[in-house]
Amino acid sequence: GAVVSQHPSWVICKSGTSVKIECRSLDFQATTMFWYRQFPKQSLMLMATSNEGSKATYEQGVEKDKFLINHASLTLSTLTVTSAHPEDSSFYICSARDGTGDHYEQYFGPGTRLTVT
Amino acid sequence: GQNIDQPTEMTATEGAIVQINCTYQTSGFNGLFWYQQHAGEAPTFLSYNVLDGLEEKGRFSSFLSRSKGYSYLLLKELQMKDSASYLCAVRDSNYQLIWGAGTKLIIKP
Repeated sequence: GAVVSQHPSWVICKSGTSVKIECRSLDFQATTMFWYRQFPKQSLMLMATSNEGSKATYEQGVEKDKFLINHASLTLSTLTVTSAHPEDSSFYICSARDGTGDHYEQYFGPGTRLTVT
Repeated sequence: GQNIDQPTEMTATEGAIVQINCTYQTSGFNGLFWYQQHAGEAPTFLSYNVLDGLEEKGRFSSFLSRSKGYSYLLLKELQMKDSASYLCAVRDSNYQLIWGAGTKLIIKP
């Protein structure tokens, strides 16, 4: 099956610094990538949707200047959390959609656990 | 608005059968997915239904009734490793996934 990788798997950073998370589709071309955030004991919350080569579409309440998304190629999307604060500590998960499949399945990366101290 | 409902938590016994229900109201319908998520891990794909009926895959089966806006995930011969959250998600007319809050399944010996 299709594989999506994320890097790093976990990161600890100080308040005020920026953190970049990479999401790669390893064996397929991801025309669309999704970024989710999940707080403990809660369901996935979609943050933004990005299509290769165009600006990301952010969900209501998600600050686009704080969560910078770049989807420069069909296999790589990055999420940069700028000026991170403790409340940004969460589990960030990317997923990629293979537009060539019969049912446009979304494949999930393993997630990145961000802790802001 | 769009809404996906599933029970918050269920408990079952090892070796038994459990059915997790999901009802939905969405803007259009282009398939329903079930995902399994263990604590601290990303979701993993379990099943996909786009037509009415039952899809069976080993110990797991998923059922869909589009007219009723209803699906269930059936887990047979429960094992301790099945303890996880089970997420129901519907793909709407824009091909976006609308997620349920998940059902935490607790398996007891």
